[in-house]
Amino acid sequence: DIQMTQSPSTLSASVGDTVTITCRASQSINIWLAWYQQKPGKSPKLLIYKASVLENGVPSRFSGSGSGTEFTLTISSLQPDDFATYYCQQYTRYWTFGQGTKVEMK
Amino acid sequence: QVQLVESGGGVVQPGRSLRLSCAASGFIFSNAPMNWVRQAPGKGLEWVAVISFDGSHQYYADSVKGRFIISRDNSKSTVHLHLNSLRAEDTAVYYCARKHFDDYFDLWGQGTLVTVSS
Repeated sequence: DIQMTQSPSTLSASVGDTVTITCRASQSINIWLAWYQQKPGKSPKLLIYKASVLENGVPSRFSGSGSGTEFTLTISSLQPDDFATYYCQQYTRYWTFGQGTKVEMK
Repeated sequence: QVQLVESGGGVVQPGRSLRLSCAASGFIFSNAPMNWVRQAPGKGLEWVAVISFDGSHQYYADSVKGRFIISRDNSKSTVHLHLNSLRAEDTAVYYCARKHFDDYFDLWGQGTLVTVSS
């Protein structure tokens, strides 16, 4: 099984900050990685697929990069609506999610 | 409106069964492979099962293999998850999710809560 490890687990930030979340795969997954945002009591929302492609309607302050085993999600100029939990997901062999990164208000 | 709506959750005793349903609308359901993903209280996301667009193939996470069955009825644009031999650790919100052609999940339902407790 492919394991996905996110860091940090929690991130404290302020509006306007740039934040970066890292996701590491236990083996190479090429670029077959997606990022999701989840708010309390809500279902996950697709942000990015193929490691760096922004889903339609997602603000351009979100960006993704990486390939192989190391990936990052960057949120530039954090907005109040961005405080949420973020998950990476590999989809090269079945599907595995990272454990999540909660972005909370400092 | 493109959406997925789950139903069928509830409180069930260990060892018993439950059937979850997910009704799709706003897209051509019979073209879309469908998944179930669950999230235990306060925990992360866990993929559970997938079914091909025509129902001919199903795959399961090891944690549910042999106990859960995924099925679909394309005439009713509905996918089901049959949960058998339920355990306390199956307690979770269960989401259905549409698989995009490129294999990520591009549409999610709102989820239905299953609580396994005596």
